[in-house]
Amino acid sequence: NAGVTQTPKFRVLKTGQSMTLLCAQDMNHEYMYWYRQDPGMGLRLIHYSVGEGTTAKGEVPDGYNVSRLKKQNFLLGLESAAPSQTSVYFCASSFRGLFYNQPQHFGDGTRLSIL
Amino acid sequence: DQQVKQNSPSLSVQEGRISILNCDYTNSMFDYFLWYKKYPAEGPTFLISISSIKDKNEDGRFTVFLNKSAKHLSLHIVPSQPGDSAVYFCAAMPQAGSGTYKYIFGTGTRLKVLA
Repeated sequence: NAGVTQTPKFRVLKTGQSMTLLCAQDMNHEYMYWYRQDPGMGLRLIHYSVGEGTTAKGEVPDGYNVSRLKKQNFLLGLESAAPSQTSVYFCASSFRGLFYNQPQHFGDGTRLSIL
Repeated sequence: DQQVKQNSPSLSVQEGRISILNCDYTNSMFDYFLWYKKYPAEGPTFLISISSIKDKNEDGRFTVFLNKSAKHLSLHIVPSQPGDSAVYFCAAMPQAGSGTYKYIFGTGTRLKVLA
């Protein structure tokens, strides 16, 4: 039972480069989320999706784009990486329509460094 | 504007004793709260939750208490074990129907259980 899988686990980029982080879940969850975690701060929501083909902005969406072309995948893109985007990125998923008792299931994170 | 606060960044407890982790929130529109546990290099995992209509929820060694009037919740771990050493995040969810499908996370408390 894989749950939520994130690839890659580590990446180093140069300023201005682009990349895509992939999140895949095998639990048939409708909702998917991308967070970033920075030292001394809680998890902050970047973007989220309430279903296939839908995306919405979270708290810190600037500099990121997302796509949810398939229900099981949620992609996070950095078009032009900046040092301020150095962080640990977590993907999560949860069931649709069950607002209570709906803990999010997290992947193990992607550690991204922008030089 | 930190709506969910964990004011203690770290806590050390002797094995077998009680660990008490605290979380304060400012928004009375939160009505569901969760605790997540995070080990290094792993994603957060759901631990326990509580609805605002309750003041206590218990699951084995873990109990969460909610004091709505004080806007305060706490996680009690009894007895504490070395394997409980991790970072603990509290999270709050706005009311259903608010149009907000996201948790607000605290900054985390690092618990160290000493053998």
